[in-house]
Amino acid sequence: NAGVTQTPKFQVLKTGQSMTLQCAQDMNHEYMSWYRQDPGMGLRLIHYSVGAGITDQGEVPNGYNVSRSTTEDFPLRLLSAAPSQTSVYFCASSTRQGNTEAFFGQGTRLTVV
Amino acid sequence: AQRVTQPEKLLSVFKGAPVELKCNYSYSGSPELFWYVQYSRQRLQLLLRHISRESIKGFTADLNKGETSFHLKKPFAQEEDSAMYYCALSPLNGNKLVFGAGTILRVKS
Repeated sequence: NAGVTQTPKFQVLKTGQSMTLQCAQDMNHEYMSWYRQDPGMGLRLIHYSVGAGITDQGEVPNGYNVSRSTTEDFPLRLLSAAPSQTSVYFCASSTRQGNTEAFFGQGTRLTVV
Repeated sequence: AQRVTQPEKLLSVFKGAPVELKCNYSYSGSPELFWYVQYSRQRLQLLLRHISRESIKGFTADLNKGETSFHLKKPFAQEEDSAMYYCALSPLNGNKLVFGAGTILRVKS
């Protein structure tokens, strides 16, 4: 029962570096999304996808790219890391049917120095 | 605009005391409301949702459309209820979740 798997769990980047946060799910869910969690601000939606080949921006997309080449994978790319991107990142998936339970990964704690 | 407000950052209660975590929302249509919980060192998980009208781990939440609220309640708090609680909404038949800032619940013995 893997569910939603995120890698890495922890990462430290230098300003200007790029990296990809990996997210994979084995539940055949159509809908996948990325959130960032910051103190006092809750979880904010970065990007989401309703199926392979379809992505769209959420509330805070700047500085991030996504792609969805398969149903299972939804990587999040930081193009040029900035200290403001220091956060905990969560990937989630759910069926495309509305109002169903969202399943979350364990999170990636990213620090940009 | 869609917005979820959780006015309390921290709620501290004694074991056996009643608990009420407040959640207010603004949304132009009829949203679906959820409560998600994150226990220490565990991933975020669904606690309950309005559409199911169920009680999970003794928690209930009633949707008050007049006051646009979806407060989470439990009559007798237990130490294992200590966690971060997030209220969230999504459009009816939609998937995008909008979260509140979260409330840390601490249950003291």
